[in-house]
Amino acid sequence: GAVVSQHPSRVICKSGTSVKIECRSLDFQATTMFWYRQFPKQSLMLMATSNEGSKATYEQGVEKDKFLINHASLTLSTLTVTSAHPEDSSFYICSAKKPRQGGEKLFFGSGTQLSVL
Amino acid sequence: QKEVEQNSGPLSVPEGAIASLNCTYSDRGSQSFFWYRQYSGKSPELIMFIYSNGDKEDGRFTAQLNKASQYVSLLIRDSQPSDSATYLCAVKMGGTSYGKLTFGQGTILTVHP
Repeated sequence: GAVVSQHPSRVICKSGTSVKIECRSLDFQATTMFWYRQFPKQSLMLMATSNEGSKATYEQGVEKDKFLINHASLTLSTLTVTSAHPEDSSFYICSAKKPRQGGEKLFFGSGTQLSVL
Repeated sequence: QKEVEQNSGPLSVPEGAIASLNCTYSDRGSQSFFWYRQYSGKSPELIMFIYSNGDKEDGRFTAQLNKASQYVSLLIRDSQPSDSATYLCAVKMGGTSYGKLTFGQGTILTVHP
């Protein structure tokens, strides 16, 4: 079964509004989660690394004030797209590594399709 | 030059054939290599990972890694229509933090009956 839960799976919003996406690790604690964005027919691009209890680490070119990440507990990270615009429309996916799994296998959430009108 | 490069395809193979997917990477210090399968509109799911040179087999899937040539491949034997998906190659670059992966653009595979 799923080890990482992501919600909502789809959201449609008006331009200028903020959207919050939740990523939960199920039955394990994740001190680190990752947020990716995927545009149609393109690959996953890492946006930021979410660290429990500390500030997120953003990749180059990703606006930290626009994409707010909060990792307040060991099982929950949230991504808030603030003042969303049509160009923010994308598929957002979170991932986490399950402890005691060999290597660096990541488990992905089911993704959130964001459409900004 | 892209850090992780794949032929976007589409790659079309008949059912029962072997599908061969290739991936090259730019960073010689890369340590870990992953193949993910992604169905349209869904999130990626891990198929295989490989760390050492050579072949690694898991059922119908074989991952091959050649660090000297900086490529990693995925072979799918006895391809099935249900294997039709986008296959993503992911690499953990040298010096990157734990769990941080760089993905290729993906190869679309179509297995036709």
